[in-house]
Amino acid sequence: TQLLEQSPQFLSIQEGENLTVYCNSSSVFSSLQWYRQEPGEGPVLLVTVVTGGEVKKLKRLTFQFGDARKDSSLHITAAQPGDTGLYLCAGTSDTSLTGANSKLTFGKGITLSVRP
Amino acid sequence: DAGVIQSPRHEVTEMGQEVTLRCKPISGHNSLFWYRQTMMRGLELLIYFNNNVPIDDSGMPEDRFSAKMPNASFSTLKIQPSEPRDSAVYFCASSDLRRETQYFGPGTRLLVL
Repeated sequence: TQLLEQSPQFLSIQEGENLTVYCNSSSVFSSLQWYRQEPGEGPVLLVTVVTGGEVKKLKRLTFQFGDARKDSSLHITAAQPGDTGLYLCAGTSDTSLTGANSKLTFGKGITLSVRP
Repeated sequence: DAGVIQSPRHEVTEMGQEVTLRCKPISGHNSLFWYRQTMMRGLELLIYFNNNVPIDDSGMPEDRFSAKMPNASFSTLKIQPSEPRDSAVYFCASSDLRRETQYFGPGTRLLVL
């Protein structure tokens, strides 16, 4: 069973601060996705990273895929209260079959609270 | 366009009762997924369908759980009989076969007393 460990589990910061959170595994993933989930709603995809070492930016959010494709980080610059939510990473393994038969393994998530 | 639709949004039932959760995927999507989310275990895949056919049900916890997809626009997840440990949020998601993006519904919050 492939596991994705996310850390820290909980994070509470002041508006304007920077933060970095992590998603780690002992397994190699062909791709990794980050989702954000707000209370009472389903997860919403933020980004997909595919290439080892890849960096993608989404406004104040920077996502990086590790060189070995086993880990990923999410950095938020100047956090805002609107960034509050549960951040989930999910990976698709190298051993999965074609896209039509691939499935995601999710981490347990990081609960972020940004205080005004 | 409407997203993934799930009903009911909340369900409270007593142990031993049958529970049926419903999902309408996004029109044109060929893949449908059922997930369960709890604090302890996070988000777990229960079963997924491609073109209405169940492909992988290895995540279904036990025989009390069953899922069907009679057509491209409707799926059900049934628990019979329900137990308190089944209390969780159940999500349905859909995607096209390329699987680049899964779109999640708002979830059904199930409480089994």
